[in-house]
Amino acid sequence: ETGVTQTPRHLVMGMTNKKSLKCEQHLGHNAMYWYKQSAKKPLELMFVYNFKEQTENNSVPSRFSPECPNSSHLFLHLHTLQPEDSALYLCASSQGTGGGELFFGEGSRLTVL
Amino acid sequence: QQPVQSPQAVILREGEDAVINCSSSKALYSVHWYRQKHGEAPVFLMILLKGGEQKGHEKISASFNEKKQQSSLYLTASQLSYSGTYFCGTELYNAGNMLTFGGGTRLMVKP
Repeated sequence: ETGVTQTPRHLVMGMTNKKSLKCEQHLGHNAMYWYKQSAKKPLELMFVYNFKEQTENNSVPSRFSPECPNSSHLFLHLHTLQPEDSALYLCASSQGTGGGELFFGEGSRLTVL
Repeated sequence: QQPVQSPQAVILREGEDAVINCSSSKALYSVHWYRQKHGEAPVFLMILLKGGEQKGHEKISASFNEKKQQSSLYLTASQLSYSGTYFCGTELYNAGNMLTFGGGTRLMVKP
């Protein structure tokens, strides 16, 4: 238990579906992140939020839409995805974005058919 | 540009030692190390800041050679619980937590 909870743990969707991934942290942190972990590829930073404000968008396609309503919750809205978007999506949090330990959730395994 | 980790995989017997390297072509401010067991979240091990610091975490320690932009993770007297994939994350100068992760080193410790 890392204090970061992701739901759902597994998701299968068609290319025309719309779904959302949810992340909640119980650590009182101010920064939250979305990472993508594909097979045989390094962890890729997607988005960073600090105090609910997006501070980083790592050239992510618009079919991925993040939302951070407060410092404890982070969503990743998915629509018209491609099969190559199938991956493990990891959420993380940290005290701030000034450097420091990242606390990861166990991830949401996404399969796009 | 992502850091390069070596080796990509290593198999050990319990009690043996291992070294995992992480190299960058760019000047680094810090190096982070994480371990991920299969089906679990990556877990933080340690951060090394510029200045050649060496830090330890039980029988796992690491060093950071600022001149070479290289970090090494040392696992001594390995235990079965050390099995997993080890990732280094590098931070360019004062980039906060904008980490670029290496491809990982898969470590398997056998009895």
